[in-house]
Amino acid sequence: AQTVTQSQPEMSVQEAETVTLSCTYDTSENNYYLFWYKQPPSRQMILVIRQEAYKQQNATENRFSVNFQKAAKSFSLKISDSQLGDTAMYFCALVISNFGNEKLTFGTGTRLTIIP
Amino acid sequence: NAGVTQTPKFRILKIGQSMTLQCTQDMNHNYMYWYRQDPGMGLKLIYYSVGAGITDKGEVPNGYNVSRSTTEDFPLRLELAAPSQTSVYFCASESGMNTEAFFGQGTRLTVV
Repeated sequence: AQTVTQSQPEMSVQEAETVTLSCTYDTSENNYYLFWYKQPPSRQMILVIRQEAYKQQNATENRFSVNFQKAAKSFSLKISDSQLGDTAMYFCALVISNFGNEKLTFGTGTRLTIIP
Repeated sequence: NAGVTQTPKFRILKIGQSMTLQCTQDMNHNYMYWYRQDPGMGLKLIYYSVGAGITDKGEVPNGYNVSRSTTEDFPLRLELAAPSQTSVYFCASESGMNTEAFFGQGTRLTVV
């Protein structure tokens, strides 16, 4: 079974600064996908960024980028030039590419607060 | 495009009552999931389905049942509500191509 661990329950950073959220995972599979989802106070789950395990290049989406270390099973999220709208819970998630057995497994989340 | 629709948004149940949380998606996704999110916690998988007629247990299935008679609908049934089932419930769907899971707005359930 796969597990996802987020060791930072809460973080805060000044607006415009850069913040990095940590995520480690465990799986015996070689083909999988990793995600960061954002959950603002509205409760809506929003995909932030996605990484295929077979790709060595780290994914980027505007101010959001990841540091994917496959050997270390680490998948951190970096938010540059943080904005007040980035205040939310952030969840790291893993899905194994196994037809008929894809279960999206989430970490416990990191509550990020951007301070004006 | 409605995406994933969950009803109701809020519900209060008494201990021992039963109810069904409805979930419908209009994206023709094969994969559908039910999660619960306890206060300040992550999402725990209750049940999932990889297609019509196929369901499987997730991490915390006890006290719940599901069915998947159509591609669009994936209802979650609570038979004998207990205070431990007080939570926010999310339904999600995904195409099966490991791209993005789409979530409903959630159902806040309180059992008293």
